[in-house]
Amino acid sequence: EVRLLESGGGLVQAGGSLRLSCAASGFSFTSYAMSWVRQAPGKGLEWVSALSASGGSIYYPDSVQGRFTISRDKSRNTLYLQMNNLRAEDTAIYYCAKDNGAWPYYVDSWGQGTLVTVSS
Amino acid sequence: QSVLTQPPSVSATPGQKVTVSCSGSSSNIGNNYVAWYQQFPGAAPRLLVYDNDKRPSGIPGRFSGSKSGTSATLDITGLQPGDEADYHCGAWDSSLNIYVFGTGTTVTVL
Repeated sequence: EVRLLESGGGLVQAGGSLRLSCAASGFSFTSYAMSWVRQAPGKGLEWVSALSASGGSIYYPDSVQGRFTISRDKSRNTLYLQMNNLRAEDTAIYYCAKDNGAWPYYVDSWGQGTLVTVSS
Repeated sequence: QSVLTQPPSVSATPGQKVTVSCSGSSSNIGNNYVAWYQQFPGAAPRLLVYDNDKRPSGIPGRFSGSKSGTSATLDITGLQPGDEADYHCGAWDSSLNIYVFGTGTTVTVL
């Protein structure tokens, strides 16, 4: 059974930093692309980052490019999202997500989410 | 912001059929596969349909997806009270090189 457990969310001031972690189990961590998806209060889903299975390709939308960094520790089966220079509009639930292929394709498993609140 | 457009809400009575639309462009829906996700309040999304019209194991046949041109559709037949949820479409965008989601649709069972 695929399990994704996020941690690291919390309250931070605008301009601050936060690192999210996602402990993965139940599948071959390095065989699938992994993503972070966020959802602002009362809003839709927004994909914020992806890492290919090989780790050689990384993707970001313009909204977080240059501020967010996705990475992983293969020895710990853990995915990370380093978030710098946080803004009020980054306030959201952040979901760790497993993609169905080696490249970003579609998400077939989701974590329970961790809440990030940025105060201005 | 969302690149794929969905109606904010749709509703029907139990047993009826609802259709949720998802409109995009040639860079996303038009040339890539569409997935649909179901999300109950306070819960994480779950995969409902992938590759336009395929269902993961455990998803009832009442849920069906289709695609035509730059639009996709999710049909829910035999609507049940337990189907009340938000539904999101998603697809890779080859121009933006990112995955894009729809604006989300709330399905209400009257």
